[in-house]
Amino acid sequence: DAMVIQNPRYQVTQFGKPVTLSCSQTLNHNVMYWYQQKSSQAPKLLFHYYDKDFNNEADTPDNFQSRRPNTSFCFLDIRSPGLGDAAMYLCATSRVGLAGVQETQYFGPGTRLLVL
Amino acid sequence: DAKTTQPPSMDCAEGRAANLPCNHSTISGNEYVYWYRQIHSQGPQYIIHGLKNNETNEMASLIITEDRKSSTLILPHATLRDTAVYYCIVRALNSGGYQKVTFGTGTKLQVIP
Repeated sequence: DAMVIQNPRYQVTQFGKPVTLSCSQTLNHNVMYWYQQKSSQAPKLLFHYYDKDFNNEADTPDNFQSRRPNTSFCFLDIRSPGLGDAAMYLCATSRVGLAGVQETQYFGPGTRLLVL
Repeated sequence: DAKTTQPPSMDCAEGRAANLPCNHSTISGNEYVYWYRQIHSQGPQYIIHGLKNNETNEMASLIITEDRKSSTLILPHATLRDTAVYYCIVRALNSGGYQKVTFGTGTKLQVIP
C-alpha cells in the first residue's frame, strides 16, 4: 500500500517556466518534508511543514516555495527553474507524538525533474 | 546531529552476510542510530533504528557497540535486490517537534552474483 505518493515520477519543464511537484500521504503524519537530491549526492533538506507551520532551511533558495493545503497534501513550487535545479525531489513524512518526539521518516519514490 | 562516517563502497557475494559499518564517535546520549537505504532512482527506504541495544527486524540487524560510537548493519543473506546506497544517520530526539535528518555520503553496497 502506497503511503507517501509523489506525482509525477518524472517531470520535464523549460528553463524559467514555473513547475509544481506534488506529494500526498495516507499516514496522517503531521510533518511533511521536501528534499532535493542531485546526481550522486545525498538528499538535502529544503524545508518542512509541522502541521501548518512552514520551516525553511537557511540555505534554501527563494526560488523554492511550498504549500500545504491540508494534512495529506504538500506541494513544491519552483518559480523559475534553472538548469541547476534538475534533480530528484523527495517528499517525506513523519509523526510527532504526544510527547513531542518525532518518529521515523518515510519517503516517497521521488520526482525526477528535468529542466530543458 | 552527530556526523557519521561510512566506507564509500563495499562488495558482498550473493547469499552471504553484508556487514556495513558506521562510525559515530560524537553521538550524544539521546541520539538514535538510523539506517536507510536507497535503491537506484527510488526514495530512501527505512531499514532499522536503535538507541543502545541491538535490534533485529525482518530486513536486518543492527549492532551498536557498548560505547555507542559505532554500529554495524547486518543483512544476513544479501540478494541482488539489496544493491543500494546505505545511509547511517544519527538523530536527536527532542520535544520541539522538528528533527532534521542529515544524510551523509553513505555506503554503496554492490551485491555480486
